[in-house]
Amino acid sequence: NAGVTQTPKFRVLKTGQSMTLLCAQDMNHEYMYWYRQDPGMGLRLIHYSVGEGTTAKGEVPDGYNVSRLKKQNFLLGLESAAPSQTSVYFCASRRNTYNEQFFGPGTRLTVL
Amino acid sequence: DAKTTQPNSMESNEEEPVHLPCNHSTISGTDYIHWYRQLPSQGPEYVIHGLTSNVNNRMASLAIAEDRKSSTLILHRATLRDAAVYYCILSRSDRGSTLGRLYFGRGTQLTVWP
Repeated sequence: NAGVTQTPKFRVLKTGQSMTLLCAQDMNHEYMYWYRQDPGMGLRLIHYSVGEGTTAKGEVPDGYNVSRLKKQNFLLGLESAAPSQTSVYFCASRRNTYNEQFFGPGTRLTVL
Repeated sequence: DAKTTQPNSMESNEEEPVHLPCNHSTISGTDYIHWYRQLPSQGPEYVIHGLTSNVNNRMASLAIAEDRKSSTLILHRATLRDAAVYYCILSRSDRGSTLGRLYFGRGTQLTVWP
């Protein structure tokens, strides 16, 4: 099993550009999450999904959109990137609310 | 959501036991106590979790106070690879609005000296 994978690993964008971050998991997990981590901080939840076709807002959803068209994939979109979105983005998945979350390796995004 | 309080940093020598404390005085009956750690430049990694009873696994032990208002993560013999930020997190297990989300604080930075 590959676990949770994220694409790309690094990206540099100019202000106003758009991009999509892809998260994939091969563990048949229902729950998937997108977090961001800023320097010296813990992770903050952006959006999450409790199953295929469902999404919901987390703590810091503004400026991001998500989609979960397939159970194994969770996409995070930035329609018009801003410097404040410079961060490391982590995806995670979970079988249910009792068990542990499995995290991907992260995507380091810089917006100039 | 219930919050946790952890020391900002702790230090240990290699091969010594480490006790990482966590206070969670507002914990509710359906909150599981989770511990994750994050090594430099990596995603968080699950360590252990429990509800009421003490728990052991290959990585660590979790000691939960009888009133559940505090817990301690125990690394029995610290290695250099255990140097990381350790997060103590309460995760609600019911299918309510929190839906198992994890709320990360700043955690405890553990330094292990050779």
